[in-house]
Amino acid sequence: ELKVEQNPLFLSMQEGKNYTIYCNYSTTSDRLYWYRQDPGKSLESLFVLLSNGAVKQEGRLMASLDTKARLSTLHITAAVHDLSATYFCAVGGRAGYALNFGKGTSLLVTP
Amino acid sequence: EAQVTQNPRYLITVTGKKLTVTCSQNMNHEYMSWYRQDPGLGLRQIYYSMNVEVTDKGDVPEGYKVSRKEKRNFPLILESPSPNQTSLYFCASSRHQGELFFGEGSRLTVL
Repeated sequence: ELKVEQNPLFLSMQEGKNYTIYCNYSTTSDRLYWYRQDPGKSLESLFVLLSNGAVKQEGRLMASLDTKARLSTLHITAAVHDLSATYFCAVGGRAGYALNFGKGTSLLVTP
Repeated sequence: EAQVTQNPRYLITVTGKKLTVTCSQNMNHEYMSWYRQDPGLGLRQIYYSMNVEVTDKGDVPEGYKVSRKEKRNFPLILESPSPNQTSLYFCASSRHQGELFFGEGSRLTVL
C-alpha cells in the first residue's frame, strides 16, 4: 500500500522567512503533485513533477522531486500572508491514474 | 470554461435516506474519482473510474456506490447513509498521468 507522509502537519511562520515542507512516500512512483487548499475551498493544482530531479517554481514556491529518495520538497521563499493555506502532496499510484494524498500541511504566515 | 461540477454543494439528510451526489466534467477526461475529506485524515479515495463502465474501489468504498455510464458523469450514491458518512466530498477528473481537477466540494451531513 502506498503511504504518503507530509511534515510538518502544522507550520506557523513569519512573513519574510523561508521554510520547506517535506513529502515522503513509501513505494516507487514517478509522479508527484502539489495542491493548495484555502479554507472552505476546493483544491488547486500547484505543481506536477513527472521525473527524477524535476524542479518547478512559481512565485515564492519551488517544488522538487527525488524519486530515488522517494522525497519531494515544497520550498517557500520570503513567505507572505497570501501563502497561508493547506498544502497537499499526492503521489501517483496504480494504473497511471490514482493519487494517494498526504494529510496536508496547514501553513499560517503571520506578520 | 473547463470545470468539474458537483451537486448538491450542501446537503443535510437523515440516516437511511438514499441520496446521490452528481459529478460532471466538460474536459473529456478519461479518469474520474471521488474523495472524502475529514479533519486530520486528509483526502481518502472512495472510488475511481478509468473510463466508461470501468470503476474500481479506492481506500474507503464501504457504504458507497458509483456508476460511469457516460464519460462526463460519475455520480456517487449513498444507498443508506449513516452519520459516519458526514464529510466533505470532492469529485475530480484528469487525463492519464495528468493533474486532478477538483469540483467545488459537497458538504454532507447525515443526522
